[in-house]
Amino acid sequence: DAKTTQPNSMESNEEEPVHLPCNHSTISGTDYIHWYRQLPSQGPEYVIHGLTSNVNNRMASLAIAEDRKSSTLILHRATLRDAAVYYCILRDEYSNTGKLIFGQGTTLQVKP
Amino acid sequence: DTGVSQDPRHKITKRGQNVTFRCDPISEHNRLYWYRQTLGQGPEFLTYFQNEAQLEKSRLLSDRFSAERPKGSFSTLEIQRTEQGDSAMYLCASSLSRAGELFFGEGSRLTVL
Repeated sequence: DAKTTQPNSMESNEEEPVHLPCNHSTISGTDYIHWYRQLPSQGPEYVIHGLTSNVNNRMASLAIAEDRKSSTLILHRATLRDAAVYYCILRDEYSNTGKLIFGQGTTLQVKP
Repeated sequence: DTGVSQDPRHKITKRGQNVTFRCDPISEHNRLYWYRQTLGQGPEFLTYFQNEAQLEKSRLLSDRFSAERPKGSFSTLEIQRTEQGDSAMYLCASSLSRAGELFFGEGSRLTVL
């Protein structure tokens, strides 16, 4: 499984944008880039995913580098409820199981 | 609430005892996953079911661990002869398709004394 590299932790101020980076230099052509987050005492939840083009949804935006070797999850206005561990995961489109392989993620702290 | 539910949420047991966790996936989801998560680490994949068939097991799933999904609905994860190293959060997830998002339950926290 291709690996991702994320900073261990990041800090943000409330109501400011947050850019969470992820490096995935060994990504293959059939790997989708997925982001999940895990709030304290909860299971992970889906945030967003993409293949090549930038993606937007109600929770966040995903910016994917042209060579696909890195991506950035963008939270446009961080709130205290966004404090969580954010996981960047590569998932093979043709995987039989569709399982996710989690790394250690980035712990995001949001200051009021 | 029609999300993934897990039971019990917390279990404290003595070393050597057997424990069983139950997961009820979202009703139309035919894919079910079990993960284990220790403090400060990301979830680790344990096993995968498609309907009632267990199609993949991680090397982490030792002989003391067994998972079932009879009739392709709920699933159980049993740990026999628990050890202190089994203390962790056990997470269940389900999905509708191979490429679909995984929906996780809130987990079952196991403490082995």
